[in-house]
Amino acid sequence: EDQVTQSPEALRLQEGESSSLNCSYTVSGLRGLFWYRQDPGKGPEFLFTLYSAGEEKEKERLKATLTKKESFLHITAPKPEDSATYLCAVQADSGYALNFGKGTSLLVTP
Amino acid sequence: SQTIHQWPATLVQPVGSPLSLECTVEGTSNPNLYWYRQAAGRGLQLLFYSVGIGQISSEVPQNLSASRPQDRQFILSSKKLLLSDSGFYLCAWSTGIRQETQYFGPGTRLLVL
Repeated sequence: EDQVTQSPEALRLQEGESSSLNCSYTVSGLRGLFWYRQDPGKGPEFLFTLYSAGEEKEKERLKATLTKKESFLHITAPKPEDSATYLCAVQADSGYALNFGKGTSLLVTP
Repeated sequence: SQTIHQWPATLVQPVGSPLSLECTVEGTSNPNLYWYRQAAGRGLQLLFYSVGIGQISSEVPQNLSASRPQDRQFILSSKKLLLSDSGFYLCAWSTGIRQETQYFGPGTRLLVL
């Protein structure tokens, strides 16, 4: 069975304090690994898709990386507006469903 | 550009009442459509998906049903709501190509009392 585990559950950072969020996964045939950002009461906002080990993608202060067992979302010099829950999901070759982790709740304080 | 709409945004319903949530997508043709539920303390769970008009696949057995009467319209229904149906319901769409990204709507918050 596909599994996605995100850590830590919650993270508090000072503005400018860089860190990384982890997403460990097991899947029988990875079609893609997805990162989303979700603000309270809103739908997830797409950030990145990674397809194969070694792939990296960047967007502003965020950088996502992928290995055969985990993905990291690196946040460089975060700002308060980066505060949100970050969700990781995997899609297997065999189906359409995104299998989500429970997310990491990030709070960036001024 | 593509836009996805959901309504209502919030709904409070008594146990045993019917339910109808609607999702529409603009700016794309023949999308794959999905219904997810996000319950407190749990990850998003896929409920239904559709690859075309009238084609519905269910991922988990439950009290809910889905229909796709038009290409860009997806409806989630129930004849009798249960307390356990409370949650945040999200509609998503993707194109019909391999390694497809799913884009989510704003969601409907459902509280069953």
